[in-house]
Amino acid sequence: SQKIEQNSEALNIQEGKTATLTCNYTNYSPAYLQWYRQDPGRGPVFLLLIRENEKEKRKERLKVTFDTTLKQSLFHITASQPADSATYLCALRRYGNKLVFGAGTILRVKS
Amino acid sequence: DAGVTQSPTHLIKTRGQQVTLRCSPKSGHDTVSWYQQALGQGPQFIFQYYEEEERQRGNFPDRFSGHQFPNYSSELNVNALLLGDSALYLCASSSGGLAGVGAKNIQYFGAGTRLSVL
Repeated sequence: SQKIEQNSEALNIQEGKTATLTCNYTNYSPAYLQWYRQDPGRGPVFLLLIRENEKEKRKERLKVTFDTTLKQSLFHITASQPADSATYLCALRRYGNKLVFGAGTILRVKS
Repeated sequence: DAGVTQSPTHLIKTRGQQVTLRCSPKSGHDTVSWYQQALGQGPQFIFQYYEEEERQRGNFPDRFSGHQFPNYSSELNVNALLLGDSALYLCASSSGGLAGVGAKNIQYFGAGTRLSVL
């Protein structure tokens, strides 16, 4: 069955450093990989999408890489700020709209 | 431009009862998907509605049913509630149904309905 794994433990980093979150998957061939941010008690907010034929995507302080050989995506937040503290969800999509989510990684940025 | 809106925000029910959750999609969107998110877990796909029909369904029992109206809004119904149904229920909207498979077909989520079953 499809399996998506994200860092199970919370990631604690110092303000100004780069946060790197990992998403690994098995038994799946996604056409798109998406990253969402979720704050407590709120719905996920879309951040970035990367296609299967793309290696890297950037948006402001965010960068996503996608390696279909390793079946892995890395999500980077540079110059992190306390306001970046949240849960980050990795989601995969083949065709159609059905998203398959990982459990998420909690990021805590300390000032 | 209003985003995805869900109601109610919170709901408390007892085992065996039935519940209806509502969702209005983002302006310009015609496809609604429902997800269940248990505490500490990622959202799990329940089903998707497009053109007033259920188009895709996840691994959820028939107690979970839905409806989509001509104005694209949607309802999620859960019958015979179990304690394990306690979760955050999320609605996501997009456009084009299953045919809308392009990269620009992003799903936008509402804030969710927190359901507690006692």
